[in-house]
Amino acid sequence: EDQVTQSPEALRLQEGESSSLNCSYTVSGLRGLFWYRQDPGKGPEFLFTLYSAGEEKEKERLKATLTKKESFLHITAPKPEDSATYLCAVQAFSSGNTPLVFGKGTRLSVIA
Amino acid sequence: ETGVTQTPRHLVMGMTNKKSLKCEQHLGHNAMYWYKQSAKKPLELMFVYNFKEQTENNSVPSRFSPECPNSSHLFLHLHTLQPEDSALYLCASSQNPLAGGITGELFFGEGSRLTVL
Repeated sequence: EDQVTQSPEALRLQEGESSSLNCSYTVSGLRGLFWYRQDPGKGPEFLFTLYSAGEEKEKERLKATLTKKESFLHITAPKPEDSATYLCAVQAFSSGNTPLVFGKGTRLSVIA
Repeated sequence: ETGVTQTPRHLVMGMTNKKSLKCEQHLGHNAMYWYKQSAKKPLELMFVYNFKEQTENNSVPSRFSPECPNSSHLFLHLHTLQPEDSALYLCASSQNPLAGGITGELFFGEGSRLTVL
């Protein structure tokens, strides 16, 4: 069974304090790993897709990396507007058109 | 309008009521999804429609009944719900891989917050 575990559950950072969020996964053949951002009261917003170990993607203060067992979302010099819940999801080759298996998310709070 | 629009944003209903949630996407996608989001739990896939045909029913109780009249509209009909069905119901759309695109890149609506009394 495909599984995604995210840690920590919650993270509180001072503005400018860089850190990383972790997403560990088990999947029967990874088709893709996806990061989403969800603001309170809103639906998730797509951030990145990673396909193979060693791949990296960047967007503003965020950088996502991928290994064979986990992905990290690195946040460099965060700002209060980066506060949100970050969701990780995987899709397996065996799933066909079936979409994603999500983790529970990491709730990030950035304090000014 | 652009993106994925869900109505109503908030719904309170009794266990004997019948109501419907509506989703409309303006992205030209051909796959649509219903997800359930409860506190402290991962997003749970409920239904998937590809080109208006249901391709996934993730063991959802029959008190939830989806309808997809065309590739732009998706409904979730609700009847005889239980208090544990209270949650945020999210609609999403994506391109179907048969038409090109990436199924993992989902575009979500803002959700319908459902409270069952």
